[in-house]
This record gives sequence, C-alpha cells and structure tokens, in this order.
Amino acid sequence: EAGVTQFPSHSVIEKGQTVTLRCDPISGHDNLYWYRRVMGKEIKFLLHFVKESKQDESGMPNNRFLAERTGGTYSTLKVQPAELEDSGVYFCASSQVPGELFFGEGSRLTVL
Amino acid sequence: QQPVQSPQAVILREGEDAVINCSSSKALYSVHWYRQKHGEAPVFLMILLKGGEQKGHDKISASFNEKKQQSSLYLTASQLSYSGTYFCGTEWVAGGTSYGKLTFGQGTILTVHP
Repeated sequence: EAGVTQFPSHSVIEKGQTVTLRCDPISGHDNLYWYRRVMGKEIKFLLHFVKESKQDESGMPNNRFLAERTGGTYSTLKVQPAELEDSGVYFCASSQVPGELFFGEGSRLTVL
Repeated sequence: QQPVQSPQAVILREGEDAVINCSSSKALYSVHWYRQKHGEAPVFLMILLKGGEQKGHDKISASFNEKKQQSSLYLTASQLSYSGTYFCGTEWVAGGTSYGKLTFGQGTILTVHP
C-alpha cells in the first residue's frame, strides 16, 4: 500500500513568488491534514479536510495560504506571495478514523 | 496550548534506557507519540486515550497519568535504530474541535551511540 506522498520534496523560490505543494493521501483516507514545521520549532497544525470539505482551518497563518482538496482526493497548498517566514517543512498527513496519522516525508520550502 | 517535552535532547549508549516526558497544563483527550528520523516522515508509535493507561510494544512503551495531563515514553535497552526526534502530539476534542488536530511538543532529540 502506498503511503502519503508529497511533491515537491524541496522547493526554493524568491520572496513574492508563488509555490504550490501537493499531497496524495493514502487511498480511502477521508481525513487529510496539513502541518508545518518552521526550523527548530514544533510541528504546527494548519488545516484539516474531511473529504473535500475544510473541517478546521484555524491554523492557517494568513490569506496568502490557500488549500484545496478537489474531489476529496489529493490536496494542494498554495502560498502566494511567499514571504521569508514561510520557509519550513510542510507535512501532509492522512487518516481514515480518529487515531493514527500517517505522515508524508514533507515538502521543504525555502524562500529567499 | 503547546505541551512541554523534556528533556530537549538525550544521548545514550546502546542498551541504556531513556524516558521522555510530555506535560500539559490542562487535561487532554489523547496523546500521540511519533518518531522522526532526519529527512523522513514522522512515524506513529502509539496513542493513549485513557487516564492511567499504559501500553507498548517491544521495548518502547508509554503511560498516561490519571489526570490526563502528563505522558511519558519509555525506551528500554535502546538500539541504534531508536535515534531520531520524538514528538508528543496532544489532542483536545471539545466544542467542535476536529480529531487529528494535534498540538505538538517541541521534540526530544535522541541519539544512541554504539
């Protein structure tokens, strides 16, 4: 069974540019989460989808971040325009039932 | 509110034991433990839901105190493969808060030497 996959694994962009991160959850998992780890700090919740609906987006930093989950399958997280403080590792996780979250390896974003 | 993990780092020799603590200022719904190796995905270790619960597999176990405000992860007879960063993730489920919305501690870096 394939795990959670994320793309790209690493992205380097200039301040003001746009980046789109993609997450493919484990097939059949209705719950999809985005988390972020800024260097040296804790992993922080960004938002939670149940199928295609946003269940909780209380962790989204500001309106430069837009998450979508078309058809309840894969999800994208767009940052536009990117700022220096957006640098970090963005993790996606999925689950079918409350309990264990299956994490992807993360997308490392570097904003210069 | 972010849980507090201690210690921040620990260095062991193979075969030694370690305890990692995770404390919250308020009662939790659950606590999750994850291990992340550098550049890899965090991997689920276990979840505790009940006050007073203890569970584990192989030589890694965890406890959740009666008040559900503190959890400890126990690593016994450590192996090289135990090296990594350990995170506790805490969950409050009330007032519509969604399951899976974890608040993580800052992590404990565990290094096991031969």
